[in-house]
Amino acid sequence: DGGITQSPKYLFRKEGQNVTLSCEQNLNHDAMYWYRQDPGQGLRLIYYSQIVNDFQKGDIAEGYSVSREKKESFPLTVTSAQKNPTAFYLCASAREGNTEAFFGQGTRLTVV
Amino acid sequence: AQKVTQAQTEISVVEKEDVTLDCVYETRDTTYYLFWYKQPPSGELVFLIRRNSFDEQNEISGRYSWNFQKSTSSFNFTITASQVVDSAVYFCALSEAYNQGGKLIFGQGTELSVKP
Repeated sequence: DGGITQSPKYLFRKEGQNVTLSCEQNLNHDAMYWYRQDPGQGLRLIYYSQIVNDFQKGDIAEGYSVSREKKESFPLTVTSAQKNPTAFYLCASAREGNTEAFFGQGTRLTVV
Repeated sequence: AQKVTQAQTEISVVEKEDVTLDCVYETRDTTYYLFWYKQPPSGELVFLIRRNSFDEQNEISGRYSWNFQKSTSSFNFTITASQVVDSAVYFCALSEAYNQGGKLIFGQGTELSVKP
């Protein structure tokens, strides 16, 4: 089945550690996105990529990094510089044009 | 500046009631796209509808209907004869960026609870 796979579903991290969240899609979409969701809030854009080897910062990129070495993959690294990393992270992809985005099932990150 | 406001944080209804979720947006662009997504407890966002700024026709899909009014910058969503399975968080979102349907500005979401 085509879709977006995020792993792991739950992730625990100690303060001061970097952690990488995986996002893979087999929809052949060019564009991929990372969003952060905090309780009772809407989603906020962290990073996005429209093409392999290129990506742009979203509204809340500080403390995060990404790479786009393959069309199918867009991993997100939450660095120790991110002051409040505990949140729900959603990955999405979209075809060219202003079509709808497809979302993964999310990764819930907790800093302990 | 662009913004999406969903003033209703939580709504609770009894099954079979009709319910309307409000969405008000702000944008300076003349070309933009509006979306509604549903987030069930499992967490992923499920696409419901997309509307571009040049198409003000209302749309009906089964029990769901959408009312787009540019004059009031609103894009409201009505569920007719609600069911327990409609319980979820619903997000309204705006896309201004050309060729980037996934670059979205989200509202805060409305949590709908439908009780049997």
